[in-house]
Amino acid sequence: LAKTTQPISMDSYEGQEVNITCSHNNIATNDYITWYQQFPSQGPRFIIQGYKTKVTNEVASLFIPADRKSSTLSLPRVSLSDTAVYYCLVGDIGGGATNKLIFGTGTLLAVQP
Amino acid sequence: NAGVTQTPKFQVLKTGQSMTLQCAQDMNHEYMSWYRQDPGMGLRLIHYSVGAGITDQGEVPNGYNVSRSTTEDFPLRLLSAAPSQTSVYFCASSNPPGMRQYFGPGTRLTVL
Repeated sequence: LAKTTQPISMDSYEGQEVNITCSHNNIATNDYITWYQQFPSQGPRFIIQGYKTKVTNEVASLFIPADRKSSTLSLPRVSLSDTAVYYCLVGDIGGGATNKLIFGTGTLLAVQP
Repeated sequence: NAGVTQTPKFQVLKTGQSMTLQCAQDMNHEYMSWYRQDPGMGLRLIHYSVGAGITDQGEVPNGYNVSRSTTEDFPLRLLSAAPSQTSVYFCASSNPPGMRQYFGPGTRLTVL
């Protein structure tokens, strides 16, 4: 199982770009990397998913180096409403060995005015 | 398309009581899972299923049973509730497993 490691917490100010890095040293060939956002008392919400290089959508970018042992979620120009816990998750989209989708500790991002 | 639904939203049990947390999805997803989240902590995988009739244990399976008789439903049973099972329970589904998971709104369970 590809275990993930993230910083416990990060602080930022409104309008800044925030980069959260996740380490997944034993990621398998068929594993994809997915990031989720969770607000208090709510279920996690999908942000972005990728396999390699760079993926961008309307809310975030995901950078994955060639060795895929880490990934970085980039949130452009954060606002107070981006204060949440962010989780990265590694899983096999082919339904192979990595069926146990285990979350790491997550990163609590606190955005200040 | 309701996505993932969970019932009840809130439940209070006494120690030793049993109950079933319901989870249903209408997206025809093969993969479903149950997580628990204790206050201020991350999500821990309880059980998961890769399809009807197939279930397996996650990180913290003790005290919980699951079954998967249909693609849509994945109930979680607490056999004999204990205060240590006080938590928020989230159900999720995806297809295939590693694709984006859709989470339900959660069931907040208190065991006295």
